[in-house]
Amino acid sequence: AIQMTQSPSSLSASVGDRVIITCRASQGIRNDLFWYQQKPGKAPNLLIYGASNLYGGVPSRFSGSGSGTDFTLTISSLQPEDFATYYCLQDFNYPITFGPGTKVHIK
Amino acid sequence: QVQLVESGGGVVQPGRSLRLSCAASRFTFSSYGIHWVRQAPGKGLEWVAVISNDGNRKYYADSVKGRFTIARDNSKNTVYLQMNSLRAEDTAVYYCAFSYGHLLDSWGQGTLVTISS
Repeated sequence: AIQMTQSPSSLSASVGDRVIITCRASQGIRNDLFWYQQKPGKAPNLLIYGASNLYGGVPSRFSGSGSGTDFTLTISSLQPEDFATYYCLQDFNYPITFGPGTKVHIK
Repeated sequence: QVQLVESGGGVVQPGRSLRLSCAASRFTFSSYGIHWVRQAPGKGLEWVAVISNDGNRKYYADSVKGRFTIARDNSKNTVYLQMNSLRAEDTAVYYCAFSYGHLLDSWGQGTLVTISS
């Protein structure tokens, strides 16, 4: 199975900060990479598909980049509602695998 | 608005079985594959299984292969997850989800499964 890693595992940031989360796949996955946001007690929400495409309704401060094995999720100006946990996911092949998550805390 | 509603969760002893259901509405159920994803308390997301729209293709996570079986009944707009030989590490909220527009963009609210003696 393809292993997904994320860094950092958690970070503290302030409103207005630029935040970058990285995700690495154990083998090349083209751009079959997705980013999800999850808030406590809620199901995840899709943010980015195909590594760099913004899902409908997601604010433009979110962006994704990368291809192959290395990917990033960038929040250009952190807003109060962005404090959450972020997961990457690959569907290059089965089994689909999630990264371990990055929790974004309020500084 | 598409809707997925999970049910069947509860407290079960180790080694026993449980069947979860995922009832779908407000979309053409038979056109879509359905996934199960779980989340242990305080932990990350783990993909569990997927079944194709016609039920002919099924894939599982290594952690559940041989113990869990995914199935669907398109006449009832329902997907099932039969979980056998349950272990403490299967304790989690189980979500069903599908790719309405893009991968896993529609999720249910989840059902809690607790494995405890």
